[in-house]
Amino acid sequence: DAKTTQPNSMESNEEEPVHLPCNHSTISGTDYIHWYRQLPSQGPEYVIHGLTSNVNNRMASLAIAEDRKSSTLILHRATLRDAAVYYCILRAPLNTDKLIFGTGTRLQVFP
Amino acid sequence: GAGVSQSPRYKVAKRGQDVALRCDPISGHVSLFWYQQALGQGPEFLTYFQNEAQLDKSGLPSDRFFAERPEGSVSTLKIQRTQQEDSAVYLCASSQGISGDLSYEQYFGPGTRLTVT
Repeated sequence: DAKTTQPNSMESNEEEPVHLPCNHSTISGTDYIHWYRQLPSQGPEYVIHGLTSNVNNRMASLAIAEDRKSSTLILHRATLRDAAVYYCILRAPLNTDKLIFGTGTRLQVFP
Repeated sequence: GAGVSQSPRYKVAKRGQDVALRCDPISGHVSLFWYQQALGQGPEFLTYFQNEAQLDKSGLPSDRFFAERPEGSVSTLKIQRTQQEDSAVYLCASSQGISGDLSYEQYFGPGTRLTVT
């Protein structure tokens, strides 16, 4: 399975944008890039996913590099509720649907 | 609507006891997953069901771990003769999609925290 690399932790102030990077240099052409986050004492929750084009939804935006070897999750205005561990995950269509989590990025948001 | 529920939320077992953890997926979701999350780590895949069929059990750490989903809805993860290294949060997730359809997200329950003393 292709691996992802994320910083262990990041900090932000409330109301500021946050850019969470993810490197996936061994990504294959058919791998989708998924992001999940896990708030304290909760199960993970889906944030966004994409294949090649940038994606937007109500939670966040996903910017995918042209060579697909990296991506960035963008939270446009961080709130205290966004403090969580963010996981960047590659999903291969020929694999089973299991999610392979790394250690993720722990985001701290300060008021 | 109701999300994925798990019970019990907390379980303390003495080493050697058997435990059973229950997962109620979102109604109508075909796929069901179990994950194990050790303290400070990301979740790790244990097993996958499509309806009542267990299609992937490659993540089960030993033959003491057993999962079932007999009617294609509720699932139970059973751990026999628990050991201290089994202490973790056990997460259940369900999805509308079937194997190979990556457009569907997984919805996770709150987990069961198992502590083996």
